Amino acid sequence: DTGVSQDPRHKITKRGQNVTFRCDPISEHNRLYWYRQTLGQGPEFLTYFQNEAQLEKSRLLSDRFSAERPKGSFSTLEIQRTEQGDSAMYLCASSPLVTGQVIDEQFFGPGTRLTVL
Amino acid sequence: DAKTTQPTSMDCAEGRAANLPCNHSTISGNEYVYWYRQIHSQGPQYIIHGLKNNETNEMASLIITEDRKSSTLILPHATLRDTAVYYCIVGYNDMRFGAGTRLTVKP
Repeated sequence: DTGVSQDPRHKITKRGQNVTFRCDPISEHNRLYWYRQTLGQGPEFLTYFQNEAQLEKSRLLSDRFSAERPKGSFSTLEIQRTEQGDSAMYLCASSPLVTGQVIDEQFFGPGTRLTVL
Repeated sequence: DAKTTQPTSMDCAEGRAANLPCNHSTISGNEYVYWYRQIHSQGPQYIIHGLKNNETNEMASLIITEDRKSSTLILPHATLRDTAVYYCIVGYNDMRFGAGTRLTVKP
């Protein structure tokens, strides 16, 4: 399967614990995006990378959230000291960088569903 | 906040065209209109995008008004598998999803 993959698919944790999610984009896609989605709402943009550089972060991304893409390939999203309000689906997407177009078609992964008890 | 307004839900008969409207009255000159859909429990799927010209691909057609303040996504022959939430998004450097339109295709 050459699509975007995310691991784990489900995560249950207790409030106050740290969690880390991984996203493997489509090979050779320069851009990688993280979104959060709660029930009944559309995905909310969190951050995006172009290669290893983190180019934009939403104000939704509090200090407890950190994302990395150290070698410009896979990315991790860490949430420290989780809160019940962090319970959501965390989606990763990747896209190629096409000259002359700012936003390209984004290919989404299946998401990681986080439940904070 | 999302820059688009879409109806909350719509129904369509199987085999008929589904026309999904979107208002984006505050769109700026360099912002594209994107459409994605999300089938239950899956990540969103890209459908089509455009700047000011109408666009067509194997999945759908996108009609953008001349003033670019609204657009319509057309699924020419809807099937039961097209039942999903459809998101209209306006953006340049990033994408802001709204709540979308829940399309139900009925037999």
